[in-house]
Order: sequence, then structure tokens, then C-alpha cells
Amino acid sequence: GAGVSQSPRYKVAKRGQDVALRCDPISGHVSLFWYQQALGQGPEFLTYFQNEAQLDKSGLPSDRFFAERPEGSVSTLKIQRTQQEDSAVYLCASSPSSRALGYGYTFGSGTRLTVV
Amino acid sequence: KQEVTQIPAALSVPEGENLVLNCSFTDSAIYNLQWFRQDPGKGLTSLLLIQSSQREQTSGRLNASLDKSSGRSTLYIAASQPGDSATYLCAATQGGANSKLTFGKGITLSVRP
Repeated sequence: GAGVSQSPRYKVAKRGQDVALRCDPISGHVSLFWYQQALGQGPEFLTYFQNEAQLDKSGLPSDRFFAERPEGSVSTLKIQRTQQEDSAVYLCASSPSSRALGYGYTFGSGTRLTVV
Repeated sequence: KQEVTQIPAALSVPEGENLVLNCSFTDSAIYNLQWFRQDPGKGLTSLLLIQSSQREQTSGRLNASLDKSSGRSTLYIAASQPGDSATYLCAATQGGANSKLTFGKGITLSVRP
């Protein structure tokens, strides 16, 4: 597709439920980032992939969060045993550059997760 | 750890006014500074990116400046229009192997017709 596609657009999960959020980057984009944006806040870095390699996962808030990109294209962010503080918009961004360096990013529209 | 601050959180101006949005950052060792626009329910759109060696960038009615030594950037919007209403975020890139963005909380701009 022409842009970064994220699904689902909205997800309501009961506390304790596992969820999986999908990101389809622009075809051929090497770098893929996940960000978490809480209400009224700026996006915060979660994790970074270069092709299938997860080079940085320092932003993942707990071991309940897991991300993968097994074939270097589609990525999935999984949250186990969701808690209310996980409620946020999860943004995915991709870049054609192996280093990104802040430019060339295309962001998806995000998945809004609400944990009840 | 880099911290990016944007004040005020919200701004309302009449159409046609020129305005300045401010951004400050604590670590001056940035690789670049970028301004994004975010519309409700949408992703982020990059407006302007200033490399650390540059002082400003211009695109149409938008002009962004960077003063690394003082840790500040400004986004100037000329002749504001209702269509400019959105949230504007600035983000710093530190460089290195993983050039993640550190964002401010954003400024929600409302331009009144």
C-alpha cells in the first residue's frame, strides 16, 4: 500500500486479556518503530527493528510487552495481561533508511487501545 | 536523558494571525530537530526537519528555527488559517545506531475563523 497500515484501529480489551496489534509498513522499508502515545502526551519510543532484527527494545515498559517482525516486513506488538495503564494509542512508523536518523519516517494512524 | 518541553499546551488565535510555537530540549547534542503535525485520530505528518548544523528551514507559510546552544526551536506559522488547527509536536533525534525520536507533549492550536 501507499502508507503504513495499522490494525485494528480500535481495540477494547478487558483487564488481563492479551492483545496483538499489527503494523504493515511501506513495502521495502528497512526500519520500523513502535511508539506509545498516552492521552495528552507525546509519543514515547517502545522498540526499533532493522529488517527482522530487533535492535532496541529499551522502551518496552514491562515484560508483558513483546514485539516481533519475523520476515522483516509486518510487525506485531503483543501485550499480555493488559492493565488499565496500557490504554493508549500505539503508533507504528517505518523508514527506508537503515538508520532512519529521524527523517524519512511515515507514521500509521495508530491503534487506540482501551483497557476496561 | 533527553527531555523535550512545549509550552503552552494549547493556543487559540484568530485567523490571519502570525504565531510562534516554542520547543525546548535539555540535551543539545542532537542530530536533528523535527516538527510534526497531528490531526485527531490520525498519525503524525512531518512538517520540517532541521539538521543540527542548520539554523532554520522553510516550507510555504512555515518556518522552523533551531538554536542548539540554548536548547530551543521555534515553529513560525504565517497568516494562520482554520485548516492549521491541529496538534504540533516537536521531536529531537540524538543519532547513533537507533535514532529514536524524543517528543514533546505537543501544542494544540485552534485557529478561529
